Amino acid sequence: DTAVSQTPKYLVTQMGNDKSIKCEQNLGHDTMYWYKQDSKKFLKIMFSYNNKELIINETVPNRFSPKSPDKAHLNLHINSLELGDSAVYFCASSHFPDRIKGDEQFFGPGTRLTVL
Amino acid sequence: AQSVTQLDSQVPVFEEAPVELRCNYSSSVSVYLFWYVQYPNQGLQLLLKYLSGSTLVKGINGFEAEFNKSQTSFHLRKPSVHISDTAEYFCAVNRRQGAQKLVFGQGTRLTINP
Repeated sequence: DTAVSQTPKYLVTQMGNDKSIKCEQNLGHDTMYWYKQDSKKFLKIMFSYNNKELIINETVPNRFSPKSPDKAHLNLHINSLELGDSAVYFCASSHFPDRIKGDEQFFGPGTRLTVL
Repeated sequence: AQSVTQLDSQVPVFEEAPVELRCNYSSSVSVYLFWYVQYPNQGLQLLLKYLSGSTLVKGINGFEAEFNKSQTSFHLRKPSVHISDTAEYFCAVNRRQGAQKLVFGQGTRLTINP
């Protein structure tokens, strides 16, 4: 069984469109994250949610809106897509807080977004 | 704030040779340390982590890393690499207190040549 899954795996779209990426985890974690990996492979956190509440928002443009309907799901909606949004988006999950395991995060397979 | 510097963007190594991937970090607070591996077109997988205790930590696939507090380093090593170790390796830190977020280094591309 896949621990952290994302759909779709690939997403190709035109500039100006609105798109969503879905993430689900079956690990029983209460914290979920979105990371962006750019063309140079640099990974940076975008958002994190704990028990459906936003706890980290790393100065991401307002066009990006995460939504967590429940603890097991964290979706990412992107409005008015721009060329610079092309990247690989990774979802992750963990227990929070977990002093013993040190917040080990489990990552999904990624969604490669290409904006034309 | 935390930052992570991986000193080598690319490391080519021959099969069965030893390898060391270097990682230095900066943080004003106490942190946990991690190494993740990303195989081509895949997500990230945890190799190993340092939480506390022994400064030498062992991970999966024969990798180990040593935490050096005075040098703020967490270098990754493997005594003998295999073709299947070809991947991107990321060092990361996470603060021990407060909202949790991994801060990653730039990544090191390890290429194993036959």
